[in-house]
Amino acid sequence: DPKIIQKPKYLVAVTGSEKILICEQYLGHNAMYWYRQSAKKPLEFMFSYSYQKLMDNQTASSRFQPQSSKKNHLDLQITALKPDDSATYFCASSQENTVSNERLFFGHGTKLSVL
Amino acid sequence: QQKVQQSPESLSVPEGGMASLNCTSSDRNFQYFWWYRQHSGEGPKALMSIFSDGDKKEGRFTAHLNKASLHVSLHIRDSQPSDSALYFCAAFNVLYFGSGTKLTVEP
Repeated sequence: DPKIIQKPKYLVAVTGSEKILICEQYLGHNAMYWYRQSAKKPLEFMFSYSYQKLMDNQTASSRFQPQSSKKNHLDLQITALKPDDSATYFCASSQENTVSNERLFFGHGTKLSVL
Repeated sequence: QQKVQQSPESLSVPEGGMASLNCTSSDRNFQYFWWYRQHSGEGPKALMSIFSDGDKKEGRFTAHLNKASLHVSLHIRDSQPSDSALYFCAAFNVLYFGSGTKLTVEP
């Protein structure tokens, strides 16, 4: 039973469009994160949220906007999509945020392809 | 600049053999390390953490940390085909992941 649900699993978009990646966690965690993984770069931290508040943003582009409507939800809105945005986007969670000994739990990812 | 360097990029070991993976940090603030494993088509899964100098053993997995050199390694004894995966070292509040080592265990 997956405890972190990401939807959709695969997503194809055209350049310039907008998409929302969905993430829900049922672990009772207080911190949630987004990571991106592509062939060109290793697993790359994007955002962290704690108690629905943005804690850290390592994404240079404002085209990426996380949205937290509930404590266990952290969606990722991407606007003006570019082919370079093609990657697998992973949602993760941990009990608390930014504590070095916290274990992260990852979802299965959403593979985004921008044509 | 990559703050966490991993080597080798890929590694192949026979079933039952020992696999050794390495990770070095370029930042002295990074003194807490995690190892994660990712099977194809899945998200990464935490294996173990190490924060103190020396060895930490969990089953077939042993992590070793040398804080002076900021070097951490993961050793997998009695490697199994199911250990074939991408292994990541992560440092400093898991903000920084290494580029990964692809381990293949050949039956």
